[in-house]
Amino acid sequence: GAVVSQHPSRVICKSGTSVKIECRSLDFQATTMFWYRQFPKQSLMLMATSNEGSKATYEQGVEKDKFLINHASLTLSTLTVTSAHPEDSSFYICSARDRTGSSGNTIYFGEGSWLTVV
Amino acid sequence: AQSVAQPEDQVNVAEGNPLTVKCTYSVSGNPYLFWYVQYPNRGLQFLLKYITGDNLVKGSYGFEAEFNKSQTSFHLKKPSALVSDSALYFCAVRGSYSSASKIIFGSGTRLSIRP
Repeated sequence: GAVVSQHPSRVICKSGTSVKIECRSLDFQATTMFWYRQFPKQSLMLMATSNEGSKATYEQGVEKDKFLINHASLTLSTLTVTSAHPEDSSFYICSARDRTGSSGNTIYFGEGSWLTVV
Repeated sequence: AQSVAQPEDQVNVAEGNPLTVKCTYSVSGNPYLFWYVQYPNRGLQFLLKYITGDNLVKGSYGFEAEFNKSQTSFHLKKPSALVSDSALYFCAVRGSYSSASKIIFGSGTRLSIRP
């Protein structure tokens, strides 16, 4: 089946630095990808919708200058957490929409990336 | 606005017994409903979806869900639970099938299957 890959799965960075998380659709093209944040034992919070070739659409309350999203190709979206702070520590999950074939517009999720800011 | 509710934080079932994880939704127009499962420290795995057609939808790992329009529910079911089914389950809804439509998740239900 369709696979969405996230990298890195775990990253530790120092406060004030930036860190990039990649989301790739491995066997389908994804014009739309989504970035979520999940706090421990809580549901997923949609941060932004990433559209290939155009600017991302951010949810209310999400700082677009802090969480930079780039969707430069049909198989890759990146989330860059800039000037990271400890409160940015979280589990970040991406998803991609497969609009082709028998999947019929199913959304597939990556394995998630644990970010720890120290 | 669309929303989805999972009224139970946790469901405990003995192995071999049937299980039900509840989900209700609110959306204007026709709903597009999904169930996902999340294992510890992992991403979400797609289980099944309802778009249109038969109200009973069959999905992965022997799970099924029943769409009930009058009760605005989409409960997840399995006739015989396995210990390996223990995980966090999310119900999700989308108000339309357009590429711009967001998917909204419920708060999640932790399913615990005891041997």
